[in-house]
Amino acid sequence: EVQLLESGGGLVQPGESLRLSCAASGFTFSSYVMRWVRQAPGKGLEWVSSISTSGSTTYYPDSVKGRFTISRDNSKNTLYLQMSSLRADDTAVYYCAKGRSGSYYSGLDYWGQGTLVTVSS
Amino acid sequence: DIVMTQSPDSLAVSLGERATINCKSSQSVLYSSNNKNCLAWYQQKPGQPPKLLIYWASTRESGVPDRFSGSGSGTDFTLTISSLQAEDVAVYYCHQYYNSPSTFGQGTKLEIK
Repeated sequence: EVQLLESGGGLVQPGESLRLSCAASGFTFSSYVMRWVRQAPGKGLEWVSSISTSGSTTYYPDSVKGRFTISRDNSKNTLYLQMSSLRADDTAVYYCAKGRSGSYYSGLDYWGQGTLVTVSS
Repeated sequence: DIVMTQSPDSLAVSLGERATINCKSSQSVLYSSNNKNCLAWYQQKPGQPPKLLIYWASTRESGVPDRFSGSGSGTDFTLTISSLQAEDVAVYYCHQYYNSPSTFGQGTKLEIK
C-alpha cells in the first residue's frame, strides 16, 4: 500500500525557515517524480515544486523560487521541502504527491494527508 | 503560464442526474510525443487530500467508478458524472501537467440539489 506521510509543519514567524519531510513507502520511491502542492485555507491547489527521480532536476513557480528548495534522499525514501524567508501568504496545508511515472508528464496518483504551515507573528 | 479556468464555480445536481464540469486551458496541453492531453481531474472531499480521478484527459484511474468520465482535447475539457451519488459531493479540480509551472483550475464545488 502506497503511503506518504508529511511532517515538519507548524507555526513560524515571518522571515523564518522550516523544513518539511515526506516519508514514502509501498512503492519504489526512486522511480517516480515527486511534487509538493499546497492549499491555503479555504482556497484551491497550488503547485510548489517538482523533483526528478534522481534529484538532479527541480522546478518551482515564481512564487517560491529562490526561497524554497526541494530535495530527496532515495536511500531513505524521503522527500524534503526546505522553506526560507517565509511569508504570511505561504500559510497553507502542504501536500506531498507522487507522480504516476518517472516522467513529469504525469498526473498525481497518491497524496499525503498534508502538514499545516502557519506563518504569523 | 497556462491558466486553467473551470466552469461553473459551483453546481447543484439532483441525485441520479448528470453533472458536467468544464475546464479550459489558455493554451493547448497536447503532448506531441504520445498525442495525449496532459490534463488530470481530481476530487477533494472536506478534510481530505485530492484524489486522482482521470489522467491523460480521459483515462480513468484504477478503482474510480465508471460513472466518472473525462473528455476533450487541446484547450477544452469536461468531467462528467453520469449519475450523481451522494458520495460525489466534493470540490473538483482540473490540472495541466504539460509544462512548468504546473497549474490547477480554481475548483468547482459540487452539491446535491
